[in-house]
Amino acid sequence: AQSVAQPEDQVNVAEGNPLTVKCTYSVSGNPYLFWYVQYPNRGLQFLLKYITGDNLVKGSYGFEAEFNKSQTSFHLKKPSALVSDSALYFCAVRDVNRAGGFKTIFGAGTRLFVKA
Amino acid sequence: DVKVTQSSRYLVKRTGEKVFLECVQDMDHENMFWYRQDPGLGLRLIYFSYDVKMKEKGDIPEGYSVSREKKERFSLILESASTNQTSMYLCASILRGSYNSPLHFGNGTRLTVT
Repeated sequence: AQSVAQPEDQVNVAEGNPLTVKCTYSVSGNPYLFWYVQYPNRGLQFLLKYITGDNLVKGSYGFEAEFNKSQTSFHLKKPSALVSDSALYFCAVRDVNRAGGFKTIFGAGTRLFVKA
Repeated sequence: DVKVTQSSRYLVKRTGEKVFLECVQDMDHENMFWYRQDPGLGLRLIYFSYDVKMKEKGDIPEGYSVSREKKERFSLILESASTNQTSMYLCASILRGSYNSPLHFGNGTRLTVT
C-alpha cells in the first residue's frame, strides 16, 4: 500500500538559515509526489510536485524539493527561511489504480517554526 | 482560479445532533473529497465522489455519510454527532483523470461537538 512518512513533528530554524522538511514514501509504481502548506485556520495550498523529469523541483515562495528514488525521499528545502514560512507542511503521494482512479495519501504533517 | 467553498468556518453542535457540512466548487470538477484533519494524524480520507450520485468510502467512513446530488456540491453528513468527531474537516476537488495535478482545497470547517 502507498504511504508517506514525515519523521519530524516540528522543525525549528533561524530566519535566513536553510531549511529542510523531510518526507519518505512508499509506492508500488511511479510516484506522484506533492508538498502542501497550511496556514492557521486555512485549507491546504499547493507548493510543488514531482511527476517525472528533473530530481530538483522548484515551487512557490522559493521552495524546492529533491526527489531521490534510491532513498524514496522527497525532502522540501528552502535556501533562506523567512518568519512568514512558519506553517504546517504536508507531503503527499498519489495512489493511482489500474482503472485510472486515484486517491491522495498525506503524511502526518511537520510544523515549521522560523525564529527571527 | 478554482474556488472551493465550505459553507461554515466554525460549527458547534451537541452530541446526537445531525450535522451537515457543505462544500461547493466552481470549476466543474468530477472528483470531490472529504478529509478530516487531526494533530499528529495528518489528513484522513472519509469519503470521495467521482461523479453525481456516486460515492466511495475512504479510510475512515464510520459515523459519516455523503450526498452528491449536483456536480458542484458535495455534502458530508454526521448522522448523530459524537465528541470524537470534533475535528477540522477539509473538502477538496480535482478534475477527473488529473492524477498529476494538485487537489484544490476549501478553507476548512472546524467542528466542535459538545
